[in-house]
Amino acid sequence: AQSVTQLGSHVSVSEGALVLLRCNYSSSVPPYLFWYVQYPNQGLQLLLKYTTGATLVKGINGFEAEFKKSETSFHLTKPSAHMSDAAEYFCAVSEGGSQGNLIFGKGTKLSVKP
Amino acid sequence: GAVVSQHPSRVICKSGTSVKIECRSLDFQATTMFWYRQFPKQSLMLMATSNEGSKATYEQGVEKDKFLINHASLTLSTLTVTSAHPEDSSFYICSALVGVGGYTFGSGTRLTVV
Repeated sequence: AQSVTQLGSHVSVSEGALVLLRCNYSSSVPPYLFWYVQYPNQGLQLLLKYTTGATLVKGINGFEAEFKKSETSFHLTKPSAHMSDAAEYFCAVSEGGSQGNLIFGKGTKLSVKP
Repeated sequence: GAVVSQHPSRVICKSGTSVKIECRSLDFQATTMFWYRQFPKQSLMLMATSNEGSKATYEQGVEKDKFLINHASLTLSTLTVTSAHPEDSSFYICSALVGVGGYTFGSGTRLTVV
């Protein structure tokens, strides 16, 4: 069965600093991997996803993630944090390939200090 | 892009009453809809998967008689919380499967049972 582990429930960075949110997964099939952002009392917005092909995936708002099969990781990065990046971030893996439901990590709350 | 409209965004109901949450796909046909529940400061937990025209598949531990899911058309799926109790208070989010490895989320419904 698929599972997702997000290391660090809370990450705090200064504005302009590098953002690194960690995600490791386990999957018995080639994974489809996702990063979502959630603002308070709102739904989820897709930042980026990996399905096949290039392992470095670029998303919205300057975020990117690299799929590393050998490390079973899909860490999310952004070179320079902005105050508006403060939110909850969820890593997810699709259960059963492209048509299954998403299995979410527990989330990482990102705080950005001025 | 594919949009799912979820209503209501917030609802307060009395204990023992029923509440219906609707998710409509606005510009595509949603064959498959996933319903998630999110407790405060926690991740999304899959409650059930519904396919248009068939009975929903519930996850272990989710009472199907309490959480009624109807997916009678390709553009509408509903979740009815019957005989709601305070412990049912939560954030409910729907998600539609779009194409290959694509998921679009509703904006969520904050249910408070008093």
